[in-house]
Amino acid sequence: TQLLEQSPQFLSIQEGENLTVYCNSSSVFSSLQWYRQEPGEGPVLLVTVVTGGEVKKLKRLTFQFGDARKDSSLHITAAQPGDTGLYLCAGYRNTDKLIFGTGTRLQVFP
Amino acid sequence: ETGVTQSPTHLIKTRGQQVTLRCSSQSGHNTVSWYQQALGQGPQFIFQYYREEENGRGNFPPRFSGLQFPNYSSELNVNALELDDSALYLCASSHGGASYEQYFGPGTRLTVT
Repeated sequence: TQLLEQSPQFLSIQEGENLTVYCNSSSVFSSLQWYRQEPGEGPVLLVTVVTGGEVKKLKRLTFQFGDARKDSSLHITAAQPGDTGLYLCAGYRNTDKLIFGTGTRLQVFP
Repeated sequence: ETGVTQSPTHLIKTRGQQVTLRCSSQSGHNTVSWYQQALGQGPQFIFQYYREEENGRGNFPPRFSGLQFPNYSSELNVNALELDDSALYLCASSHGGASYEQYFGPGTRLTVT
């Protein structure tokens, strides 16, 4: 059983549409991160959220950490083909061990 | 500033063989973490090395072992390879034993036949 479950697993949308990816757990995390990974490359850190209820914006991307620090969401406004990739949430549970989610593969068509 | 590099890029091994993967950390970083990413899944933490000492381990058997050198580069060794070991192996470097910001290398794609 994965500690961090992401949904949806796959998402295929047209350019200009909005989307939300969810990352859920029954456990509390001290911090949550979101990464994007493209084929042939390692994950690239997009954002870190550390406070329950925290919202961070990165251009068209909005990240939220749940009040109870058990879940997070990533919202993309007006998706572009360049947003295509594997989106991974990951969290720390008071240790040095980074736990990754199951991943959401996003495809944005022009 | 040089990023995280890994070698080799791809590797094909036979079941039962041994393999060594290498990682050079980003300049100024003293911590290296290794992850296994099976196809279509998120990375799984194998272990972390901080200043040449193991600093945490995930749920991987002892045939997965590692090493960190004085220049903070690192090796991942896997003995008695199994078919299920086929995966992308990622290393990530950071500064400090517990850091929020890890920088990942491009990975080594290992195929076990």
